Amino acid sequence: DAGVIQSPRHEVTEMGQEVTLRCKPISGHDYLFWYRQTMMRGLELLIYFNNNVPIDDSGMPEDRFSAKMPNASFSTLKIQPSEPRDSAVYFCASSWDSSGPQHFGDGTRLSIL
Amino acid sequence: DQQVKQNSPSLSVQEGRISILNCDYTNSMFDYFLWYKKYPAEGPTFLISISSIKDKNEDGRFTVFLNKSAKHLSLHIVPSQPGDSAVYFCAASNSGGTSYGKLTFGQGTILTVHP
Repeated sequence: DAGVIQSPRHEVTEMGQEVTLRCKPISGHDYLFWYRQTMMRGLELLIYFNNNVPIDDSGMPEDRFSAKMPNASFSTLKIQPSEPRDSAVYFCASSWDSSGPQHFGDGTRLSIL
Repeated sequence: DQQVKQNSPSLSVQEGRISILNCDYTNSMFDYFLWYKKYPAEGPTFLISISSIKDKNEDGRFTVFLNKSAKHLSLHIVPSQPGDSAVYFCAASNSGGTSYGKLTFGQGTILTVHP
């Protein structure tokens, strides 16, 4: 049974470029979460979806960040334009209900030069 | 505002002994708590959870204790094994709140188990 799949695993790009991170949740999971991990702030929730609908985006740092979930098996997190302070590891997670444990992907390590 | 705190950045334990990882929280609305383990270059993996209606939950070598009055929980690993060396995150949520499902994580504790 495949887990949460994220792509790419690593992304290095120059400041000002658009970055798109992708996530495929576990089949049957109704909740999808995007997290960012940095040394300073630890693991913080950016946004989460229930049945493809955004429920809470209060963690999205700025308007440069946007997330979509066009269907139950795919989500994207986009940064446009990217800045060096966006460098972090971005995790996607999914769960089958609101109180169940979340299953994480292996993350995308993003470096903005 | 750090609502979930893991005050020990690291812990070193001898193989076979007990590892105790601690976590404190400030939000009295939290009613569901989880522990995750994370290896380098991998995502966090769910380990064990506890609801606020309980004060203890056990799963094999892992036991989580919850002290609601002190707003404190701990994870006990007995006996500790070298393969347990990882970063351990404590997380909490308010299952009845409007942001149901939203987890707040602690900063993590690096556990090293020496052979």
